[in-house]
Amino acid sequence: EIVLTQSPGTLSLSPGERATLSCRASQYISSSYLAWYQHKPGQAPRLLIYGASSRATDIPDRFSGSGSGTDFTLTISRLEPEDFAIYYCQQYGGSPLYTFGQGTKVEIK
Amino acid sequence: QAQLVESGGGVVQPGRSLRLSCAASGFKFSNYGMHWFRQAPGKGLEWVAVVFYDGSKTYYADSVKGRFTISRDNPKNMLYLQMNSLRDEDTAVYYCARDINSCYFDCWGQGTLVTVSS
Repeated sequence: EIVLTQSPGTLSLSPGERATLSCRASQYISSSYLAWYQHKPGQAPRLLIYGASSRATDIPDRFSGSGSGTDFTLTISRLEPEDFAIYYCQQYGGSPLYTFGQGTKVEIK
Repeated sequence: QAQLVESGGGVVQPGRSLRLSCAASGFKFSNYGMHWFRQAPGKGLEWVAVVFYDGSKTYYADSVKGRFTISRDNPKNMLYLQMNSLRDEDTAVYYCARDINSCYFDCWGQGTLVTVSS
């Protein structure tokens, strides 16, 4: 099983600050198979980034993804009030077919 | 605009069954693989099952294999999850989602809560 470990568990920041979220895989992942999601309580998860670095439809350009191999990063360049949420990385291709990291909560400082 | 709406959640005793439904609209349902996910209280997202666009193949997480069955009715734009022999640890919010290239998920429902409790 491919395990995704996200860090930090919680990120306390102020609006306007930069957020850097990490996702580390227990073994190699093709960049094509790494995605990031935003999830707010009571709402549907939202695809932000696919293929490690491609923004999904209608995602603002303050969100960017990077990385390869086992280390991937989601960066939010300047936090807006609506960006405070939980963020998950997700991979495809292992067993089970799809796994998620445990999440990083971005909270208002 | 693509939309998914889950229904069918509720409180059920251990060992009993429940069927979840997911109504799709705003896109050509029969073109997409469809999945169920869940999120237990205080936990992260867990993939549960997938059904191919034409219903020809299904795959399950080990935690539900042999107990849950995913299916679809393309003419009705509906996705289902039949859950049998429910356990306490199946308590979660269940989400349906469509996949893109079998790799990631670009449209999700808002979820339906299943509580397994005596």
